[in-house]
Amino acid sequence: AQSVTQLGSHVSVSEGALVLLRCNYSSSVPPYLFWYVQYPNQGLQLLLKYTTGATLVKGINGFEAEFKKSETSFHLTKPSAHMSDAAEYFCAVSEGQAGTALIFGKGTTLSVSS
Amino acid sequence: NAGVTQTPKFRVLKTGQSMTLLCAQDMNHEYMYWYRQDPGMGLRLIHYSVGEGTTAKGEVPDGYNVSRLKKQNFLLGLESAAPSQTSVYFCASSRGDSYEQYFGPGTRLTVT
Repeated sequence: AQSVTQLGSHVSVSEGALVLLRCNYSSSVPPYLFWYVQYPNQGLQLLLKYTTGATLVKGINGFEAEFKKSETSFHLTKPSAHMSDAAEYFCAVSEGQAGTALIFGKGTTLSVSS
Repeated sequence: NAGVTQTPKFRVLKTGQSMTLLCAQDMNHEYMYWYRQDPGMGLRLIHYSVGEGTTAKGEVPDGYNVSRLKKQNFLLGLESAAPSQTSVYFCASSRGDSYEQYFGPGTRLTVT
């Protein structure tokens, strides 16, 4: 059965610092992996996704993630944090055919201080 | 394009009352989903639909019913609300050939 673990429910960084949000997954088949962002009182917005091909995936707002099969990881990074990055971030996995429901991690809240 | 919309945005119910949450999408997506979000739990799938007239149970279906009479609409019903159903409910949709889901803004439900 597939599952997602996000290490750290809360991450705090200073503006301009590196952002690293960790995600590990469990899947019996090659997974499809996603990062979503949720700003306060809003729905979820897709940041980036890995389906096939290049393992380093670039997303919106300067974020990127690297799929590492050997480590079963899909960590999210951004070189320089901005105040507007403060939000909750969810890693999700899907396996099987398109349209299959996503399995979400429990989320990581990112705080950015000036 | 409005994308995915949800009605209502907020609702307070008393225990035992019933209500229906409406989700509508204008992207002609085949698949639709209902999730609930609780603090520290992430999003959990309640029910989903792979097409008009078809629905299936997700991870936490108890206490909920759904219907998809039209392709663009997906209804989530609570027949007898319980305090454990206090949550934020999100609807999502996707194309049948895509893994990307599009989310609505959510409905915040409080059951007292």
